[in-house]
Amino acid sequence: GQSLEQPSEVTAVEGAIVQINCTYQTSGFYGLSWYQQHDGGAPTFLSYNALDGLEETGRFSSFLSRSDSYGYLLLQELQMKDSASYFCAVRGPDQTGANNLFFGTGTRLTVIP
Amino acid sequence: DSGVTQTPKHLITATGQRVTLRCSPRSGDLSVYWYQQSLDQGLQFLIHYYNGEERAKGNILERFSAQQFPDLHSELNLSSLELGDSALYFCASSPRQGVGELFFGEGSRLTVL
Repeated sequence: GQSLEQPSEVTAVEGAIVQINCTYQTSGFYGLSWYQQHDGGAPTFLSYNALDGLEETGRFSSFLSRSDSYGYLLLQELQMKDSASYFCAVRGPDQTGANNLFFGTGTRLTVIP
Repeated sequence: DSGVTQTPKHLITATGQRVTLRCSPRSGDLSVYWYQQSLDQGLQFLIHYYNGEERAKGNILERFSAQQFPDLHSELNLSSLELGDSALYFCASSPRQGVGELFFGEGSRLTVL
């Protein structure tokens, strides 16, 4: 099966940098995604890493180390609107072998002035 | 706007009842996924359809069923409802299988009284 761990809450100051970590245990692995969800809203896709290394998209970057079963999301120049929940999600086979996307329980980021 | 449409947005019903949630994927997307999100919880995968065929099942209760129609819209049927079924139900779509990027609808909030 799959299990993912990420911190439940993180607080950071506006303008600062914050890193949200995700460790996973899976029977197979194809890639790691990150999603943002504002309260009452839909999850929106941020990034996907299939290979080791850092992917940068504007203020957001995502890193993957497959050998360590570890990834992180880095948010720079934090803005108040970045306050939201952030989910890591592993793409991998489920118990039937079907390729699926499994989500962690999310990290609630609070940005303070 | 992700292009994924879910109806109804809100639904209040009583225990023991049956409801149907509807999802229209983005134009051209063949894959439809259903997820359940309870209060302050992660996204629990329920079921995945691709081009009308069931491809994977997650922790979906036997009281729940789904289908994808020839026009690619999907319906999630929840029967013999219990208080614990109260949750946000999200539909997501993607152009194909096995991708890290899903496009989520705004969700259907089900309240069982």
